Amino acid sequence: ILNVEQSPQSLHVQEGDSTNFTCSFPSSNFYALHWYRWETAKSPEALFVMTLNGDEKKKGRISATLNTKEGYSYLYIKGSQPEDSATYLCAFDTNAGKSTFGDGTTLTVKP
Amino acid sequence: KAGVTQTPRYLIKTRGQQVTLSCSPISGHRSVSWYQQTPGQGLQFLFEYFSETQRNKGNFPGRFSGRQFSNSRSEMNVSTLELGDSALYLCASSLGRTGGGEKLFFGSGTQLSVL
Repeated sequence: ILNVEQSPQSLHVQEGDSTNFTCSFPSSNFYALHWYRWETAKSPEALFVMTLNGDEKKKGRISATLNTKEGYSYLYIKGSQPEDSATYLCAFDTNAGKSTFGDGTTLTVKP
Repeated sequence: KAGVTQTPRYLIKTRGQQVTLSCSPISGHRSVSWYQQTPGQGLQFLFEYFSETQRNKGNFPGRFSGRQFSNSRSEMNVSTLELGDSALYLCASSLGRTGGGEKLFFGSGTQLSVL
């Protein structure tokens, strides 16, 4: 059983704050690391997929980094807005074709 | 391009009954994977179908089964329902096999309540 852990479990920030959260995964058998955003009453939506150690991805105010040697990825949100409120999931793909999701970090941005 | 379609959106069943959920992937996608989400839990992998063959299976009892048709549509069946099966069931489709770095496209889910 692969252990993919996300922290914190939940986060409350004020509009305009910058925030970040962590996804930890096994450092062996790595193939890819995904981030998804899941807004209430919607479907999870892919944000990023990263495959190489040191990868950095950016989409607007959201960015992500990857460290495969130590087994973690950070997701950063700069200047949080209420519309960023969602659960952020990471998923770890092994080179054996398995994909395991973390339990998610639920972000609430207060106006 | 139509997204992933799951039917029905909501379902209420009683213990002991069986249920079938349906998932139509994005046109051209050959992989369909199924996930269960219960309150406070992340997405638990049920199984993946690719080109009509089950490629991977999660740690669920044999009451959970599925299949994929030649048009890539997939069905999931749960027999002898238990209260603990109440959950949101999501399916996702992708071009290639799940777990190969493929981005997943999710449906809206079926909310199953077992009374």
